[in-house]
This record gives sequence, C-alpha cells and structure tokens, in this order.
Amino acid sequence: GQSLEQPSEVTAVEGAIVQINCTYQTSGFYGLSWYQQHDGGAPTFLSYNALDGLEETGRFSSFLSRSDSYGYLLLQELQMKDSASYFCAADQTGANNLFFGTGTRLTVIP
Amino acid sequence: DAGVTQSPTHLIKTRGQHVTLRCSPISGHKSVSWYQQVLGQGPQFIFQYYEKEERGRGNFPDRFSARQFPNYSSELNVNALLLGDSALYLCASSGKTGGARERMFFGSGTQLSVL
Repeated sequence: GQSLEQPSEVTAVEGAIVQINCTYQTSGFYGLSWYQQHDGGAPTFLSYNALDGLEETGRFSSFLSRSDSYGYLLLQELQMKDSASYFCAADQTGANNLFFGTGTRLTVIP
Repeated sequence: DAGVTQSPTHLIKTRGQHVTLRCSPISGHKSVSWYQQVLGQGPQFIFQYYEKEERGRGNFPDRFSARQFPNYSSELNVNALLLGDSALYLCASSGKTGGARERMFFGSGTQLSVL
C-alpha cells in the first residue's frame, strides 16, 4: 500500500519558522510535491523535490531524504496569510497521478 | 489568463441521482485530472486524461466516469449517487506531457452534497 503521514495540526507565531514533516511509504517513489490549500480554495503548488537535498523558493523551502523516506516543508518569516492546510504528495515511476498525504493544518497566531 | 474553471461551484443531489461536473483547463493545457477531496483529508485521484485519452484511473467504482473533449475541457460523471460521494471534486490541468511531475494547476472545485 501507499501512505504519506503528516502531523494533523501545527500552530506557530507570526514571524517564526515552522517545519511540516512528511514520511512516506510509496512503491516506485519518484518525487515529492508540496501544495497549499486555504479553506474553500484550490490547492496551489509550492515546491517539488526529486533529488535529495533542499529546494528554496522565497520564504518556502522543501527537503527530501530518499534514504529515510522523509521530507519536510520549511516556512520562514511566517505571515498570517500562511494559515492554511499543507499537503505533501508523491508521484511514482510510471504513474501520472499524485498520491496526497493526510494534510497539516497550520495556524499562525499573532 | 484564466485559471482552471469548474462548474458548478456547489451542487446538492439526492441518493440515486446522477451528476455531471465540468472543468475547463488553462488555455494550452492538454491534460486534465480529477480528484475527490473528503473534508479533512487529502485529494484522492480519480482520473487523468491527456489528449482525450484516459491515462490513469484511481480506485473508484464504475459509477464514476469521465471524458475529455477536443477543446480539452472535461466532464466527470457520477451515477447512482451515495451519501459517501459527498466531497469537493477538484480538477487539475497541466501542460506538456500530462505526467505527474509537471506542475498541476487546480481549480477551486465543485462541492457536492448528497442527501
């Protein structure tokens, strides 16, 4: 079977740094994506890792360790508008779909 | 440029009825995927179409079907609705090859409630 596990909820203070973890068990794993979804909104792409290491895009960074079947999303300089759900999603060799994790609801407090 | 558009935004049906959901991809995108998102969970893959051909199907019953038209828009059909079909149905488009490694652009979804 396949699974991607994330913490269900995380709370952090405005201006701080938060890390959202994702551990996966996926046959034929190829890469890991991260999506943000505000309540009532569309999931929007944040980052993608196919190789081990850190990818940085502005305030967001994503990390992948294939040997540990683990990745994380790092959000820096948190803003109130970052309050949303965050999903990791795996893609597999030979497949054309994403397999999404359970999602982490981030709440940013003043 | 317009993003992925879905219609209707909300829909209420009763058990046993049939529903058709529509999606227009970003202009120039040839791939459309459908996902079901139950409240509090991540999106779950239903179908992917590329150049009007089915490229992938998730673990959903035959009551679910889809098609893609020559203009790359798509319809998702669900027959014999069950209470458990209540969910947000998301459409995503991507451009070049339809592979999962391409960045996908999601619409805001159709919220289906089955009573």
